[in-house]
Amino acid sequence: GAGVSQSPSNKVTEKGKDVELRCDPISGHTALYWYRQSLGQGLEFLIYFQGNSAPDKSGLPSDRFSAERTGGSVSTLTIQRTQQEDSAVYLCASSPRGGLASSEQYFGPGTRLTVT
Amino acid sequence: AQSVTQLGSHVSVSEGALVLLRCNYSSSVPPYLFWYVQYPNQGLQLLLKYTTGATLVKGINGFEAEFKKSETSFHLTKPSAHMSDAAEYFCAVSGFTGGFKTIFGAGTRLFVKA
Repeated sequence: GAGVSQSPSNKVTEKGKDVELRCDPISGHTALYWYRQSLGQGLEFLIYFQGNSAPDKSGLPSDRFSAERTGGSVSTLTIQRTQQEDSAVYLCASSPRGGLASSEQYFGPGTRLTVT
Repeated sequence: AQSVTQLGSHVSVSEGALVLLRCNYSSSVPPYLFWYVQYPNQGLQLLLKYTTGATLVKGINGFEAEFKKSETSFHLTKPSAHMSDAAEYFCAVSGFTGGFKTIFGAGTRLFVKA
């Protein structure tokens, strides 16, 4: 079946512009995560959605970052007034058994964001 | 604060040699432990995971890992490296906060020499 998809695969933007990154999780997966992977760094947790529960936003680095998940499926990560330090690969993952911390995550290919 | 430490950002082995990638975590409660692999130009995929039960866990492609609570470790091993094992490997921990947040290590890039 189809895996997690993300768009665009690459995004180059000018400093100060807003960007939107999209994630389509695997159908039926109730949990959705966003991570940021910077060069030479591990994955930095950003935000977690589980069903209709309030999202865990504890990893968002600043109020310029926000995310929403519509209809329990597609998610959009928005970065306002982008800065050069926002340049990274943004990864989305979904999990089939949200509500269980033991569940594995299925990752998308990522969006490489470059802020010039 | 909970953390995951992967010793060695780069590991190089010869083809056929033992692969050992180290992972230590800090957690006040028994965690769930994962190893993910990222092949060049591909997304992360699960290699293996430990939740409960047997502490020696077997994964795909001949990899295995052993959960040692006393050492707070979850090292990844493979008896004989293959060229196709060249990738970046991430150790991850969840279940320690009562929520679903997952903490990843910084990753270890494995190089396999012919």
